[in-house]
Amino acid sequence: GQSLEQPSEVTAVEGAIVQINCTYQTSGFYGLSWYQQHDGGAPTFLSYNALDGLEETGRFSSFLSRSDSYGYLLLQELQMKDSASYFCAVPLSGGYQKVTFGTGTKLQVIP
Amino acid sequence: DTAVSQTPKYLVTQMGNDKSIKCEQNLGHDTMYWYKQDSKKFLKIMFSYNNKELIINETVPNRFSPKSPDKAHLNLHINSLELGDSAVYFCASSPGPGAGGAGANVLTFGAGSRLTVL
Repeated sequence: GQSLEQPSEVTAVEGAIVQINCTYQTSGFYGLSWYQQHDGGAPTFLSYNALDGLEETGRFSSFLSRSDSYGYLLLQELQMKDSASYFCAVPLSGGYQKVTFGTGTKLQVIP
Repeated sequence: DTAVSQTPKYLVTQMGNDKSIKCEQNLGHDTMYWYKQDSKKFLKIMFSYNNKELIINETVPNRFSPKSPDKAHLNLHINSLELGDSAVYFCASSPGPGAGGAGANVLTFGAGSRLTVL
């Protein structure tokens, strides 16, 4: 089948580092994206990996291993405002346009 | 200027009614989408259009009818509303396959339309 799996919840302390994992199953691969969604808000794009390795964007980094069908989002120097849901997304075998989201990980940052 | 705008933001209606949600993007993107987000926050793709043509119809009941009059607009009409249709509906757009490169399927979302069916 085709699917994306993420942990449902993660709790971390302000100032710490947290990693949110995503495993996917798809017959074609067009890149892995990450989105952030605050409660009551819309998903917003964070990061994209088309090739293996680490992409860094400020406090956020994203990693991809295509051979393992696995990626993660790394959030450093956590701030209270990082409390949100985080989704990985890939276009599944339907092609570019079938951008499918993972189950989402709710991150709670505590003081 | 809002990149992807959808209206209305809130919609409360009775079962059996028909309602529409409108979406417009000013990003010059080729591809537009409708997603449904339920109470468990699961984001499910419903439809995808590329340059006004339907590309993806993700086994959505035919009570849902999308319409794309041009590539900047994608509207969603829902007939005979049911309780299970209550959700937040997000419109989104992306550059699309014609853009090539890394950003082709990076989505920009509208603010969402919260539909409550009573």
